[in-house]
Amino acid sequence: DIQMTQSPSTLSASVGDRVTITCRASQNIKGWLAWYQQMPGNAPKRLIYKASTLESGVPSRFSGSGSGTEYTLTISSLQPDDFATYYCQQYDIFALTFGGGTKVEIK
Amino acid sequence: QVQLVQSGPEVKAPGASVKLSCKASRYIFIDYAIHWVRQAPGQGLDWLGRIKAGNGDTEFSPKFRGRVIITRDTSASTAFMELSSLSSEDSAVYFCARSVPDYSSFDSWGQGTLVTVSS
Repeated sequence: DIQMTQSPSTLSASVGDRVTITCRASQNIKGWLAWYQQMPGNAPKRLIYKASTLESGVPSRFSGSGSGTEYTLTISSLQPDDFATYYCQQYDIFALTFGGGTKVEIK
Repeated sequence: QVQLVQSGPEVKAPGASVKLSCKASRYIFIDYAIHWVRQAPGQGLDWLGRIKAGNGDTEFSPKFRGRVIITRDTSASTAFMELSSLSSEDSAVYFCARSVPDYSSFDSWGQGTLVTVSS
């Protein structure tokens, strides 16, 4: 399996902050990476796919970048609705695998 | 918009099996794949497997292979996931999720089904 290492596991930030979450794959996943946001008690919601393509309806303050084994999710100006847990997921090869998650908390 | 509606909560004894359903609507069922992902309490996401609704082709995580069966009923636009030999470690919320057949990121999710394994 491809291992997905996400960092940090927890992040404390304030409204308006720029936030960056990193995901590292154990091998080249050729850009086949998605990011999800999960609110407590809810199913995840896809934010970005193919490393940098923004899902329709997702605010433009979210962006994704990266290639090969290194990927980032950036929130340019954190809003109250953004306090949640974020997961990366590789879909280059089966078995599909997720990062361990990053919980974004209010500082 | 796309809807995936899952069956209700289950309580099972250790060693038993559980079969969950995921009913799709508002899209052409056979044009997509359905995946199953689980989340133990306070933990991350774990992929179990998927079925291409059109041809029934399946893929499974090695972690669950031999214990999980995924099927679909195209006439009912419904996918099913059966997990056998349950233990307390299988207590989790189980989600179904949709992807296009050949690119497996998930654009829609069900609401989740809580499975509790307890004696």
